[in-house]
This record gives sequence, structure tokens and C-alpha cells, in this order.
Amino acid sequence: EAQVTQNPRYLITVTGKKLTVTCSQNMNHEYMSWYRQDPGLGLRQIYYSMNVEVTDKGDVPEGYKVSRKEKRNFPLILESPSPNQTSLYFCASRTGLANYGYTFGSGTRLTVV
Amino acid sequence: DQQVKQNSPSLSVQEGRISILNCDYTNSMFDYFLWYKKYPAEGPTFLISISSIKDKNEDGRFTVFLNKSAKHLSLHIVPSQPGDSAVYFCAARSQTGANNLFFGTGTRLTVIP
Repeated sequence: EAQVTQNPRYLITVTGKKLTVTCSQNMNHEYMSWYRQDPGLGLRQIYYSMNVEVTDKGDVPEGYKVSRKEKRNFPLILESPSPNQTSLYFCASRTGLANYGYTFGSGTRLTVV
Repeated sequence: DQQVKQNSPSLSVQEGRISILNCDYTNSMFDYFLWYKKYPAEGPTFLISISSIKDKNEDGRFTVFLNKSAKHLSLHIVPSQPGDSAVYFCAARSQTGANNLFFGTGTRLTVIP
């Protein structure tokens, strides 16, 4: 089944403790992206990647890091999480075709206390 | 500043009737518009898209209309079914930032049996 898999689904952590949210896609998509969803703000892009070793900042990159060492994986790293990073996170991937939207994972709900 | 706006947080419609979800945008550089549907505890699912060179795109029960002069698009669902109950996000892609989708804040559609 074609899908984007992200783990974990739920995570509660403490301020300052480094964490990684993994994302993997099995569709051989070139483009991958991370979004966060917050009430009243919709989804906002954190980082995106056009291919292996090619990443760039989205609208809200502060406090996050990403890497794209393999085509299928695009982990999101929070080096020192803070409470304002409590959010619902989505990983997504797509082909290079213009009229195709992103395929999203099921989401990771992160709480930083 | 929100470049894509969905001013109706919620909409209720009787089963079998038409559902009309609206979206406004401010950036004239947007060249593709997409609608996503989101069920609780799942990621957004791509529904339908439209290029800025068109004014209508139809896929089964779903039709998207684009009015470029008004910077307005709408999603029509006919006939509405209880399974259509979900949150619908409007999204737009900029020619200058092709890897980012700008999302609205969503409209929760409830189809009443």
C-alpha cells in the first residue's frame, strides 16, 4: 500500500530533551515536507526537501532540523524542544507532477511540558 | 498574514443536498489550488485540484470552481453523503515557491442523515 509512515503517533516530552520524529514513504517520491497544524492557523510548512541531500526552510523552521540522506526517509529533529512546539505534525510526500497534491502521513501529536 | 482564508469554520448540510465550501486567497502568484479532506486522527487526503488557467474541474461528486478576478474558489459536493463529514482544507501553491502549499484554517462539514 502506498503510504507515508511517521512515528511515533503520540509523544510527550520535557523541555530541552532532544527528539526525532521519523517519516518514511514507499512511493519513490522526490519531494517531502513537514507541516505543523495549530488551531486557527491551518497547516504551516516547516521544512521541505526536493531530493536526497536537498532541503530548504519553509515558513516556520525555527527550532527544527531535517535531513534527507535517503530518498524514502525525512526525519524531523527537535534539538531542544520548547512548549511552543506542542503541535500536530504531518509529514508529506509528492511526485514532481504539478497537479498532484502531497500525500500526508497520519500525524504525530507532540506535547512539550 | 493568512494568504489562504476559509472564513466559515463549520457548515451543516442535509444528506442529498449540495455542500458549498468557500476559500479566498490574496496572492496572485498562486498557480494551483487544492482541496484536502481530513478525518479525525488521520492525515489530510488530497481530494481535487485546479490549475489557475482553468475555472472549473470536476471529479465525480466533487467540483471546484475558480474565480481568479475575485481570488475566490469553492468546492461543491453533490449529493452530500454522511461519509463526507470531515474538515476540508483549501490549499494553494505559489509559482515562486513550488514546494510549499499555503493552507486555510479549514471548514468542518457535517452532513446530517
